[in-house]
Amino acid sequence: AQSVTQPDIHITVSEGASLELRCNYSYGATPYLFWYVQSPGQGLQLLLKYFSGDTLVQGIKGFEAEFKRSQSSFNLRKPSVHWSDAAEYFCAVAAGATNKLIFGTGTLLAVQP
Amino acid sequence: DAGVTQSPTHLIKTRGQQVTLRCSPKSGHDTVSWYQQALGQGPQFIFQYYEEEERQRGNFPDRFSGHQFPNYSSELNVNALLLGDSALYLCASNDRDRAIYEQYFGPGTRLTVT
Repeated sequence: AQSVTQPDIHITVSEGASLELRCNYSYGATPYLFWYVQSPGQGLQLLLKYFSGDTLVQGIKGFEAEFKRSQSSFNLRKPSVHWSDAAEYFCAVAAGATNKLIFGTGTLLAVQP
Repeated sequence: DAGVTQSPTHLIKTRGQQVTLRCSPKSGHDTVSWYQQALGQGPQFIFQYYEEEERQRGNFPDRFSGHQFPNYSSELNVNALLLGDSALYLCASNDRDRAIYEQYFGPGTRLTVT
């Protein structure tokens, strides 16, 4: 069965430090992978997506993610975190012909001044 | 260009009652999906509508039903509410032909069942 695992429930980083959020997926075919961000009380905003091609994808707000098929991973990175990046981050895989999204449980990012 | 809109923003209902949530997709989008996000969890797929028909359904009971209108807007209905139905309900839309895998989400409706 398709699934997404985000091993880190809560991460705290200092402002200006680098960030890496982990995501592992289980999917039989070529995965279509996404990272979404959710601010408190808000809906989900798409940060970036991977469909095929270059395994390093760039997104909005300075985020990037690298697809590693051998590790079934799609980790999200940012070289320098800003206080406004504090939010919850969800990794997702699109499954089936109707592209329903299967989400991980999320990683809550706190940013220290 | 308006994004995905949902109404109401918040809703409080009593166990056993029925509720209807509404969603208007992003302009140009024809497919609507509904997700339930319980507190501290990732969103869970409920169902998807395209051409006014339910195309796929997640692991949710028949108490959850939906509808899509000719203008592509959609409703989610939940009957016989349970305390466990308390959650943020998210609507997502996409253009099935142009970007089948790229879904845009609305701000959600926070449902509290007491």
